[in-house]
Amino acid sequence: QKEVEQNSGPLSVPEGAIASLNCTYSDRGSQSFFWYRQYSGKSPELIMFIYSNGDKEDGRFTAQLNKASQYVSLLIRDSQPSDSATYLCAVNSGNDMRFGAGTRLTVKP
Amino acid sequence: DGGITQSPKYLFRKEGQNVTLSCEQNLNHDAMYWYRQDPGQGLRLIYYSQIVNDFQKGDIAEGYSVSREKKESFPLTVTSAQKNPTAFYLCASSRLPSASGGAYNEQFFGPGTRLTVL
Repeated sequence: QKEVEQNSGPLSVPEGAIASLNCTYSDRGSQSFFWYRQYSGKSPELIMFIYSNGDKEDGRFTAQLNKASQYVSLLIRDSQPSDSATYLCAVNSGNDMRFGAGTRLTVKP
Repeated sequence: DGGITQSPKYLFRKEGQNVTLSCEQNLNHDAMYWYRQDPGQGLRLIYYSQIVNDFQKGDIAEGYSVSREKKESFPLTVTSAQKNPTAFYLCASSRLPSASGGAYNEQFFGPGTRLTVL
């Protein structure tokens, strides 16, 4: 069974701090990695994807991938209360996309 | 505006009833997916389709059925055989996974249908 593991949280950070969200996966053949944000009662919204080892930055978001360690993370700089949501990690290998259960992030003003 | 629509937003089902959830996309995506989300859990794949008139079972297909008669549409029927159908149902679409495996096939989600059994 291909697994994607995330710390369920809640993760609480003060406004302006860096939030660090982590994800591990079991399938070494995984080739693409996605972070989705899901507000309560809403559907997931894609915020980042990464395919290569290293860092990928998009505004306040940085995705980090280490395929050797089977680890992907999302950093949110200058966290805002509007970033409070559940963040889902998704891992894809070919036709198979697997989602983690998500980490709930709370940013306190 | 390109996107994915799902209807209804809320659905109530009586015991023994079949109900059908609608999913339509105008993104010209070949692949479409149905997921179920329960509180505190990740998304679980019910069915997916990569081409018209063809679809594959996901991890939890029992008690569900789908059809793909048009590229744009992928309705899901929750049958009376599904013993615990109360959940949030999400439809997604994507381009086909590339031959190199997984690249450029990020999935985009509709707004979801919340199904409750009375």
